[in-house]
Amino acid sequence: QSALTQPPSASGSPGQSVTISCTGTSSDVGAYNYVSWYQQHPGKAPKLMIFEVSKRPSGVPDRFSGSKSGNTASLTVSGLQTEDEADYYCSSYGGSNTLYVFGTGTKVTVL
Amino acid sequence: QMQLQESGPGLVKPSETLSLTCTVSGGSIRGSIYSWGWIRQPPGKGLEWIGSVYDTGNTYYNPSLKSRVTISVDSSKNQFSLKVTSVIAADTAVYYCARGLIATPRLDYWGQGTLVTVSS
Repeated sequence: QSALTQPPSASGSPGQSVTISCTGTSSDVGAYNYVSWYQQHPGKAPKLMIFEVSKRPSGVPDRFSGSKSGNTASLTVSGLQTEDEADYYCSSYGGSNTLYVFGTGTKVTVL
Repeated sequence: QMQLQESGPGLVKPSETLSLTCTVSGGSIRGSIYSWGWIRQPPGKGLEWIGSVYDTGNTYYNPSLKSRVTISVDSSKNQFSLKVTSVIAADTAVYYCARGLIATPRLDYWGQGTLVTVSS
């Protein structure tokens, strides 16, 4: 199973919005509503930000939102803040024997 | 608050076996709704799921690593473990352990990660 495709980078000014895409196939992203998004600051472990395409764990600001259309999922960060500068990875359930397929990762820069 | 902590050698020689253990605290590793997984990240690169184990002992592996990987669970010690055989330089990475939800796959608790370097 190949990695999901994300743009290498995205950027925005404080207060603006940035959207990151995550493209898979009809066997992973397109087949299941089990897309998650993880935020990773340098030297830190990933943190779950979105699960089941659009749900937020307790404590995650509502500035973070997720959606999906066909084989592509998206993460939008609204009202960008400096602490949102990080790497973001999507992940999808890949089928019965492949529990997780990760995306290639996107570095978000707050200008 | 659930916590996971990886432990094991930070340096492994090529062709040898990499062995890591994840100790879970603040909750039980038993429970049919959870999976326990390993994820790695080579320096400067992205995340790669290695595999996961249920408390029943059922295992699921990344097809690209399946021939070299074994994940096991020891409920009595609240630990699960990873073994990767015949390691090469490309296995150098930060290795994370994490808790997953079985019914709606996601990784909600992660260890801090441990760097394993493969070098002679």
